[in-house]
Amino acid sequence: EIVLTQSPGTLSLSPGERATLSCRASQSVSSSYLAWYQQKPGQAPRLLIYGASSRATGIPDRFSGSGSGTDFTLTISRLEPEDFAVYYCQQYGSSSFTFGPGTKVDIK
Amino acid sequence: QVQLVESGGGVVQPGGSLRLSCAASGFTFSSYGMHWVRQAPGKGLEWVAFIRYDGSNKYYADSVKGRFTISRDNSKNTLYLQMNSLRAEDTAVYYCAKAPPGAAANYWGQGTLVTVSS
Repeated sequence: EIVLTQSPGTLSLSPGERATLSCRASQSVSSSYLAWYQQKPGQAPRLLIYGASSRATGIPDRFSGSGSGTDFTLTISRLEPEDFAVYYCQQYGSSSFTFGPGTKVDIK
Repeated sequence: QVQLVESGGGVVQPGGSLRLSCAASGFTFSSYGMHWVRQAPGKGLEWVAFIRYDGSNKYYADSVKGRFTISRDNSKNTLYLQMNSLRAEDTAVYYCAKAPPGAAANYWGQGTLVTVSS
């Protein structure tokens, strides 16, 4: 089973700042089958990025994903007030679709 | 528009059973794989199970293997999760989510709460 770790656990930033979130896999994620989700309190998760770097429908271009193999990054170029949330990575390239533990982005 | 509506949650005693349903509309249900994902109170997301579009393959997290069964009825546009031998640690909000073939889950329902407690 592929284990995902995310860092940092919490990221405290101000609106307008750049956020860089990391997701590391215990083994290579095949075909970059790595996704990023955003979740706000009381809401279901929302798909942001799939295939490591493709934005899902309707996702603003301030969100970008990169990486391959075992190291992946989600970047939010300039934080908007609505971006403060928890972000999860997930691999879906094997028969076990594991999530990372999440990174909380909160307001500094 | 796409709709996924979970139902069947509630309070159940340890060792008991529960069946969750997920009613789908607004898309061709029989063309999509479907996931169940859960979230314990105050915790992160945990993938539970996945079923291919035609039900030919099913996959489970180790934590539920042998106790939970995922199934679907494409004629009724409905996904199911049969949960047996429930434990306190199964307490969570259970979400269903749809996934195009070989792709990430791109739409989620709002979830149903399962509480396992005596």
